[in-house]
Amino acid sequence: NAGVTQTPKFQVLKTGQSMTLQCAQDMNHNSMYWYRQDPGMGLRLIYYSASEGTTDKGEVPNGYNVSRLNKREFSLRLESAAPSQTSVYFCASTDLGLSGNTIYFGEGSWLTVV
Amino acid sequence: AQTVTQSQPEMSVQEAETVTLSCTYDTSENNYYLFWYKQPPSRQMILVIRQEAYKQQNATENRFSVNFQKAAKSFSLKISDSQLGDTAMYFCAFRMNYGGSQGNLIFGKGTKLSVKP
Repeated sequence: NAGVTQTPKFQVLKTGQSMTLQCAQDMNHNSMYWYRQDPGMGLRLIYYSASEGTTDKGEVPNGYNVSRLNKREFSLRLESAAPSQTSVYFCASTDLGLSGNTIYFGEGSWLTVV
Repeated sequence: AQTVTQSQPEMSVQEAETVTLSCTYDTSENNYYLFWYKQPPSRQMILVIRQEAYKQQNATENRFSVNFQKAAKSFSLKISDSQLGDTAMYFCAFRMNYGGSQGNLIFGKGTKLSVKP
């Protein structure tokens, strides 16, 4: 009963370092998303992938890249981390036909850039 | 572009009482979904309730119910018999009824609910 799994759960980076957040879902969903959540804000979309092999920018894509490795996995990469990227990151997935339009979320990844 | 507005940054309620959280949204579309998500201190996003725009009947899930007013573009959440475990941030969210970015959730900024013993 895993659902959406994100790793790592916590990470501290120095400015300029790079890292990749991993996400995997076991619900056979086509669409996957990366969001960030900042204090006083709801979740904002960074990138999404409508299906395997496709990715597109969301509301706040600057400073990030993504890879849809296969249907299960969707990774988010920070090439040169900045303090403004300190946030909680959520991966999510959905499939319109099978999941009744519900988007399922991972447990979040807490990233601090110092 | 769609927007979601939650006008109450913080609310409190006594245990066992009823509380209503407000949400309004703006869209020119007719086919969409509305959601309420709960986010406890653990930060996990938990789906509370979902409403399809084409359904006139208000959705209910145990102690949680909504008042969906499509013409007014209003989607409030009522929590009955509030429990201490209901303490959390509550997010209202909107989603178009198709995939890709347009299937993305648009979130409000949230309402922090505190249930007092």
